[in-house]
Amino acid sequence: GAVVSQHPSRVICKSGTSVKIECRSLDFQATTMFWYRQFPKKSLMLMATSNEGSKATYEQGVEKDKFLINHASLTLSTLTVTSAHPEDSSFYICSAPLGENTEAFFGQGTRLTVV
Amino acid sequence: AQKITQTQPGMFVQEKEAVTLDCTYDTSDPSYGLFWYKQPSSGEMIFLIYQGSYDQQNATEGRYSLNFQKARKSANLVISASQLGDSAMYFCAMREGSTDKLIFGTGTRLQVFP
Repeated sequence: GAVVSQHPSRVICKSGTSVKIECRSLDFQATTMFWYRQFPKKSLMLMATSNEGSKATYEQGVEKDKFLINHASLTLSTLTVTSAHPEDSSFYICSAPLGENTEAFFGQGTRLTVV
Repeated sequence: AQKITQTQPGMFVQEKEAVTLDCTYDTSDPSYGLFWYKQPSSGEMIFLIYQGSYDQQNATEGRYSLNFQKARKSANLVISASQLGDSAMYFCAMREGSTDKLIFGTGTRLQVFP
């Protein structure tokens, strides 16, 4: 089946640094990918829609300058958390739909801890 | 307005018994899809089952079945013959119309005991 690979699975960084998270579709092309954030014991909140070859679409309340999204190819989207702060610590997970009326495939997720 | 509602924060079920996880949704779009995902403690999202709004029959996938009550806007997940490995968070999600993005419910934590 279709696979989405997300890297890294865990990252610890210092306050003020930036962290890049990659999301790759391994055996299919994804013109659209989605980035979610999940706080402990909470649901997945959609942050933004990553569009290949164009700007990402951010959900209300998500700082686009804080969470930079780049979808440079049909198989890769990246999320960069800039100038990270402890409150950015969370579980970030990407997904890519395979097609209409099918499930979305999720990456393994990235647990970010900012110290 | 909340679009996906899961009213059960936690559920317990004995091994080999069946359990129903509730999900109601709200949309004015005649075309939509409903999904259930399982999230174990590792964090990965595992797709379980899908139901399209125009599907005439309830979806089934092995031990998982979806009780789709369109008029009531409910899409409950039924897990038959529960196993210890079924213990996890379960999320109901909806996709509206032509958009591919999923909106998730708050989840239900299922615990299966021997």
